[in-house]
Amino acid sequence: GNSVTQMEGPVTLSEEAFLTINCTYTATGYPSLFWYVQYPGEGLQLLLKATKADDKGSNKGFEATYRKETTSFHLEKGSVQVSDSAVYFCALNRQNFVFGPGTRLSVLP
Amino acid sequence: EAGVVQSPRYKIIEKKQPVAFWCNPISGHNTLYWYRQNLGQGPELLIRYENEEAVDDSQLPKDRFSAERLKGVDSTLKIQPAELGDSAVYLCASSLTPLDDTEAFFGQGTRLTVV
Repeated sequence: GNSVTQMEGPVTLSEEAFLTINCTYTATGYPSLFWYVQYPGEGLQLLLKATKADDKGSNKGFEATYRKETTSFHLEKGSVQVSDSAVYFCALNRQNFVFGPGTRLSVLP
Repeated sequence: EAGVVQSPRYKIIEKKQPVAFWCNPISGHNTLYWYRQNLGQGPELLIRYENEEAVDDSQLPKDRFSAERLKGVDSTLKIQPAELGDSAVYLCASSLTPLDDTEAFFGQGTRLTVV
């Protein structure tokens, strides 16, 4: 079946550090790929998405590129802020959304 | 525009009692999902509706869980009887189309504690 694997957390970084959260997937066919974020006390919200191979999704300084050859969708940000502290979920959609376990990011001032 | 609305936000019940969760999706969204999220894990699909039809309920534990979306708008998820292992956050989500490239919008969830 379809599945998503993402790097274990928690991840703790200093402000302005570079962020990478790895995500790989297994799916039949060609799913769309998403990153969702859950800020403390809030619901899941879409951060970015990519719907076909080599597409790059971007939002709020975050980027991720759909790599079909490596079945990956790694999340990156060049300079994190304290306000980026949250749980990040990688997901695929192939008729239904399938989520990874989430990676908790803490950014220290 | 209002987002996905869920109620209640929190519920504490004793085991073997029934419980129900309600969801009102974004207006015009025909696709509705119920997910369960255990602590420290990602959401897992329970059931997906297209309008009033349950098109995927393969992960719904049908011995104790039931769901309905009678008029193709709001939806109710019920557990009867609840077990300790049902403690989790129950999330409702909706999307405009069932296409794979369409994002899902999530409500804030109902946190269920079974004691």
